[in-house]
Amino acid sequence: GQSLEQPSEVTAVEGAIVQINCTYQTSGFYGLSWYQQHDGGAPTFLSYNALDGLEETGRFSSFLSRSDSYGYLLLQELQMKDSASYFCAVRDMGNTDKLIFGTGTRLQVFP
Amino acid sequence: DTAVSQTPKYLVTQMGNDKSIKCEQNLGHDTMYWYKQDSKKFLKIMFSYNNKELIINETVPNRFSPKSPDKAHLNLHINSLELGDSAVYFCASSQGGLAGGEETQYFGPGTRLLVL
Repeated sequence: GQSLEQPSEVTAVEGAIVQINCTYQTSGFYGLSWYQQHDGGAPTFLSYNALDGLEETGRFSSFLSRSDSYGYLLLQELQMKDSASYFCAVRDMGNTDKLIFGTGTRLQVFP
Repeated sequence: DTAVSQTPKYLVTQMGNDKSIKCEQNLGHDTMYWYKQDSKKFLKIMFSYNNKELIINETVPNRFSPKSPDKAHLNLHINSLELGDSAVYFCASSQGGLAGGEETQYFGPGTRLLVL
């Protein structure tokens, strides 16, 4: 089966850097996605890594190590508006090819 | 222009009732999904349609019936609502055939269903 593990909660202060880790167990692997969800809002796609290494998009970067079945989302220069839940996700390469989400990491940014 | 829209945004109803949630996407995507998010924020897929054809049907009670009249619409009908159906239901869409296409999903605003 497929499983993804993320920390349940992370706290940080404005201006800091925070890293949200995700380890996965899959029977096959295409790539790792990250989604952001604010309270009361919808999940929003942030990034997708299919290859090893770091991909940067503004203040957010995402990293993947396929050999370690591990990835992380790095948020720099944290702002209050970054307070949200962050989900990693992988595609199930079984019959259904569905996207499986981790349990989410709640990030709280304090002033 | 809203990419993925759902109606209604809130739905409060009594046990045993039947209700429908509508979803439309104007992104030209081939694949649409229904997800259920429970109170612990666990996001789980229920159904997936590709070009009006059912692709994924998770172990969802058959009281839930999706309908896709065309590839831009995917509606969800729920019969005999139960207390445990209370959750947020999200519609989403994606464009397959591209690297990362399936993994890049666009979600609607969600429908908050409360069954009393």
